[in-house]
Amino acid sequence: GQNIDQPTEMTATEGAIVQINCTYQTSGFNGLFWYQQHAGEAPTFLSYNVLDGLEEKGRFSSFLSRSKGYSYLLLKELQMKDSASYLCAVPRGDSWGKFQFGAGTQVVVTP
Amino acid sequence: SQTIHQWPATLVQPVGSPLSLECTVEGTSNPNLYWYRQAAGRGLQLLFYSVGIGQISSEVPQNLSASRPQDRQFILSSKKLLLSDSGFYLCAWSPGTGNSYEQYFGPGTRLTVT
Repeated sequence: GQNIDQPTEMTATEGAIVQINCTYQTSGFNGLFWYQQHAGEAPTFLSYNVLDGLEEKGRFSSFLSRSKGYSYLLLKELQMKDSASYLCAVPRGDSWGKFQFGAGTQVVVTP
Repeated sequence: SQTIHQWPATLVQPVGSPLSLECTVEGTSNPNLYWYRQAAGRGLQLLFYSVGIGQISSEVPQNLSASRPQDRQFILSSKKLLLSDSGFYLCAWSPGTGNSYEQYFGPGTRLTVT
């Protein structure tokens, strides 16, 4: 089955960098997704990694190591609007159309 | 471009009452469709998954059901709500073909059972 672990909460100041780690166990692998979810809103897609390495998209970057079952999401130059929950998700090995989501990491950005 | 709609946005229902939440997708054909529930401060729990009209896969035993009467319409129902059914219900879609697994979420329905 799938198991996804990520920290519950992280706090950082405006302008700083925060790294959210995600470890996963899955039978079969077809990529790892990161979503951002603001309170009371639906998750929105941030990034997708299927090969090892770093994918950069502006202030956000995502890294994947398939051999270690590990990913991180890096948020740079933090802004107040980045305060949100960040969800790590992997397609399930039994059905790649279905995702297993982590519980999410609540990032709190302080002035 | 594709869009996904859900309604109602919020709902307060008494225990034992019926439920019907609707989700529609525009701008794509034969999508995979999903219903998730998110309890307060918790992660997303997949409830139902559909790859086509009339094809529903249930993930967890519960007093909810789902139906897909049309290609781009997905409905979540219950005959008698329980207090534990309260939560944030999210519908999502993903392409039914190709190698893209990304899921796109609707705005959600916040259900409070009293």
